[in-house]
Amino acid sequence: GIQVEQSPPDLILQEGANSTLRCNFSDSVNNLQWFHQNPWGQLINLFYIPSGTKQNGRLSATTVATERYSLLYISSSQTTDSGVYFCAVVTGGGNKLTFGTGTQLKVEL
Amino acid sequence: GAGVSQSPRYKVTKRGQDVALRCDPISGHVSLYWYRQALGQGPEFLTYFNYEAQQDKSGLPNDRFSAERPEGSISTLTIQRTEQRDSAMYRCASSFGGPAEQFFGPGTRLTVL
Repeated sequence: GIQVEQSPPDLILQEGANSTLRCNFSDSVNNLQWFHQNPWGQLINLFYIPSGTKQNGRLSATTVATERYSLLYISSSQTTDSGVYFCAVVTGGGNKLTFGTGTQLKVEL
Repeated sequence: GAGVSQSPRYKVTKRGQDVALRCDPISGHVSLYWYRQALGQGPEFLTYFNYEAQQDKSGLPNDRFSAERPEGSISTLTIQRTEQRDSAMYRCASSFGGPAEQFFGPGTRLTVL
């Protein structure tokens, strides 16, 4: 099956710093989503981005499908950005999401 | 409702008991998915439905796990004769179908003693 790897696995930032999270996948995809799992366990949709670039406030994402990677940019980080960031993909003719290994982010004051 | 809802939010049961977990998808979403998430890991696919038809159940770990969606809306995931290794967060998601964006519910935290 498809492999989805995220880096870095862990990240600690000072409030106000910027960061880039990466997601590499091993096959072509029909769907790519970025999620934020907050400390209360909610899985929040950030982006649906099988290709191209999108921005939403302090967050933006870029997927380069031909090179099989996606990037999530967080600017001016806040403590509420803490949690685990997952990318997840759908590949082939199926509809199931395969999740990456996650990036654990902690934003400190 | 505005989002996917799941009940109960927490379930504690004794080994050997049966449990039923419920999912109410976003109105109008034809596809419904079940995932299981172990602590410290990402969710893993269990099964999914288009309308009332179960399209893929390849992720169900064994025959103690079953799911249904009889009227194409609410779904129930049933685990028979629960074991301690079944303890996890069970998440439901829904979408408009195909590779469309999936939206997740709050999950049911299952603990088997």
